[in-house]
Amino acid sequence: NAGVTQTPKFQVLKTGQSMTLQCAQDMNHNSMYWYRQDPGMGLRLIYYSASEGTTDKGEVPNGYNVSRLNKREFSLRLESAAPSQTSVYFCASSEWTGGTEAFFGQGTRLTVV
Amino acid sequence: GESVGLHLPTLSVQEGDNSIINCAYSNSASDYFIWYKQESGKGPQFIIDIRSNMDKRQGQRVTVLLNKTVKHLSLQIAATQPGDSAVYFCAEIAYNQGGKLIFGQGTELSVKP
Repeated sequence: NAGVTQTPKFQVLKTGQSMTLQCAQDMNHNSMYWYRQDPGMGLRLIYYSASEGTTDKGEVPNGYNVSRLNKREFSLRLESAAPSQTSVYFCASSEWTGGTEAFFGQGTRLTVV
Repeated sequence: GESVGLHLPTLSVQEGDNSIINCAYSNSASDYFIWYKQESGKGPQFIIDIRSNMDKRQGQRVTVLLNKTVKHLSLQIAATQPGDSAVYFCAEIAYNQGGKLIFGQGTELSVKP
């Protein structure tokens, strides 16, 4: 099983550019999450989707939008990238929201210049 | 707002010794506390969880202790091995707050051979 797959692995954007980070899971999980991790910091929740068709804000949603395209896929969009959004982005999934075991992708390292 | 945080940012231990990683939390409404391990360049990986009505839970070479009186969580790793070198995060879930997985800042464990 691939688990949670994120694309791309690396990306450099110019300030003001837009992009979408893709995430897909093959574990038939109901819940999916997007986190960002800054150097020396923990993971901060951007948005999550408890189930197909629903999305909710996390701790740091400003500047981001998400789409739960179907049960497998959950995308994160930056409409107008800013240097403050330079970070490593992780997608995760769990069987249900409130499940303690989340499975994470390998991360997308995003640099905004 | 409520938060989960760690006492020590770094911990260095000798191979074969026991390691203790600590975490302070402030959300007394949390239902579960969880430990994750993040190796360099990878996403976090679930280690063990403990329900809020428990004091202790043991896994393979790991033990989690929960002291609700002082809002303290610890992860004990027995006979620490070089493969245990990683960043360890505590996390929490509160069902009355959407069941989101919220992470603390992390402790880097370094195992000396």
